[in-house]
Amino acid sequence: EDQVTQSPEALRLQEGESSSLNCSYTVSGLRGLFWYRQDPGKGPEFLFTLYSAGEEKEKERLKATLTKKESFLHITAPKPEDSATYLCAVQTDNTDKLIFGTGTRLQVFP
Amino acid sequence: SAVISQKPSRDICQRGTSLTIQCQVDSQVTMMFWYRQQPGQSLTLIATANQGSEATYESGFVIDKFPISRPNLTFSTLTVSNMSPEDSSIYLCSVERTMNTEAFFGQGTRLTVV
Repeated sequence: EDQVTQSPEALRLQEGESSSLNCSYTVSGLRGLFWYRQDPGKGPEFLFTLYSAGEEKEKERLKATLTKKESFLHITAPKPEDSATYLCAVQTDNTDKLIFGTGTRLQVFP
Repeated sequence: SAVISQKPSRDICQRGTSLTIQCQVDSQVTMMFWYRQQPGQSLTLIATANQGSEATYESGFVIDKFPISRPNLTFSTLTVSNMSPEDSSIYLCSVERTMNTEAFFGQGTRLTVV
């Protein structure tokens, strides 16, 4: 069964304290891995798509990487406005639908 | 990206009633989906809305409970029928411009059933 697991469930960081979020996946065939940011009361906001192992994408303080088993979302020198829930999702060769992980709730304190 | 308008943004409904949620996109898209996000949980796909034909439902979701329409390439509706408190959730519309590309989401409809 295709599965996506995110860790940690919650993360508290001091402003400027870099860290990484993990997304592990077990799928029959990976077509793409997606990262989203979700603020309270809003729909997920698209961040990155990764398609193959070794691929990296960057946007401001965020950098996403992909291996054959997992993806990391690295947050460099975070700011309070980076506080949100970060969701990982995979799309497999067998279907067009997205399979979501349970998310990591990030809080960045000044 | 895509601009997605979802209505209503929130509602409080009596049990036994039905609510229809609308999703309007600013341009034609190939794929439209409906998700549910229960409190503190991640997103679960309800169904794929197919233009001009019946929606494709995921395991655990049925047409009688969640009828879906998609009359054209920019609009879809999801109805939550005969509601119970267990249906209290956020319902999200999602679109992909073409198959196997990134999905964009509406702001969601926060439904509370009392």
